[in-house]
Amino acid sequence: EPEVTQTPSHQVTQMGQEVILRCVPISNHLYFYWYRQILGQKVEFLVSFYNNEISEKSEIFDDQFSVERPDGSNFTLKIRSTKLEDSAMYFCASTTSGGAQETQYFGPGTRLLVL
Amino acid sequence: AQSVTQLDSQVPVFEEAPVELRCNYSSSVSVYLFWYVQYPNQGLQLLLKYLSGSTLVKGINGFEAEFNKSQTSFHLRKPSVHISDTAEYFCAVRALQAGTALIFGKGTTLSVSS
Repeated sequence: EPEVTQTPSHQVTQMGQEVILRCVPISNHLYFYWYRQILGQKVEFLVSFYNNEISEKSEIFDDQFSVERPDGSNFTLKIRSTKLEDSAMYFCASTTSGGAQETQYFGPGTRLLVL
Repeated sequence: AQSVTQLDSQVPVFEEAPVELRCNYSSSVSVYLFWYVQYPNQGLQLLLKYLSGSTLVKGINGFEAEFNKSQTSFHLRKPSVHISDTAEYFCAVRALQAGTALIFGKGTTLSVSS
């Protein structure tokens, strides 16, 4: 069964450094999402992406964040200058056409630790 | 805006016992409702979803949930749990427009012991 994959599974970085989290959505999916979960807290929506542009973003997704689909398979989340509070599990998800009734398929996550 | 409250952060049960994980939501618009499960070191996996029609929804692994509009609840149930059901369970809602985000609750840790 097709699945969403994410790399790396774990990343440790120093505060102020840039990180890029990578996701490979399911191949025929067109809508992509990033969520994050700070330890002990809710899974929170960051951004959705369709047709090479941001569809929706939350107030968390400020200027330090950016997303890109650099090629036909990868979907990336860049954090320009990491802060301690960016430490979290980051999940990528995808759906075929973005319909609200559709299942969002999630990757296993990248655990980011900012020191 | 939508919000989801999962009333229990941890639920310990013995194997073969029934379990109910509670979820209440708040929304000014109509929403779809979802339950996801996260096993250790894995991504979120859909258990079941309510879109319309019958308020009792059956999902994978013997789970079911009942949508109650008047109480704005979507509780998850299983009549007899297994050790392998030990996981984190997330209730989520989503507005009806395309491309909108899932809004999650904080999750409930189900621990099944023998």
